[in-house]
Amino acid sequence: QKEVEQDPGPLSVPEGAIVSLNCTYSNSAFQYFMWYRQYSRKGPELLMYTYSSGNKEDGRFTAQVDKSSKYISLFIRDSQPSDSATYLCAMSAMGGTSYGKLTFGQGTILTVHP
Amino acid sequence: EADIYQTPRYLVIGTGKKITLECSQTMGHDKMYWYQQDPGMELHLIHYSYGVNSTEKGDLSSESTVSRIRTEHFPLTLESARPSHTSQYLCASSGLTGAAYNEQFFGPGTRLTVL
Repeated sequence: QKEVEQDPGPLSVPEGAIVSLNCTYSNSAFQYFMWYRQYSRKGPELLMYTYSSGNKEDGRFTAQVDKSSKYISLFIRDSQPSDSATYLCAMSAMGGTSYGKLTFGQGTILTVHP
Repeated sequence: EADIYQTPRYLVIGTGKKITLECSQTMGHDKMYWYQQDPGMELHLIHYSYGVNSTEKGDLSSESTVSRIRTEHFPLTLESARPSHTSQYLCASSGLTGAAYNEQFFGPGTRLTVL
């Protein structure tokens, strides 16, 4: 079983829709949670970063972490065609030999059509 | 402008050739990483370094080797490329303390094809 599970999609939505992307994980040591966006033939770029449980909002993007359920989400409001990309969740533990090392989900391919 | 660079962006070579993928960052980061990413698959860590003269193997076994002689430079070498090495190789870096410890910044990647 993978430490991080992410539905690869693909997910296709109309412009203006609310998008929900999710990851589940099994390692209770994970404390840092990130979402990366990767456009085709580019490197991933950091989109959102949260520590422990709770919500974080940045413009049209909201990241949620529920450590009790080992579940994280990224919501995109008023989605735009420019949001079309692969979204990767990533997690890291605190301390020990895993400190600073990220474990990635498979990525969800999102297409927002006009 | 602080950034992370990878060259070449695309490389097509024949079996048995020796290749070096370059990665440089101007952010002053101590930690650097190499990932391998196949289409539709997650990123797999193949090498990492916490500073000069420090290199470690990652979670995915790789026949490549790395060196860290300068803080800003983290090249990856394949002594004898094979078709199984065909993949996208991504370099990343991060700071050493606090929240920056876990935030990794990625280069644009090198797409390697071995014929």
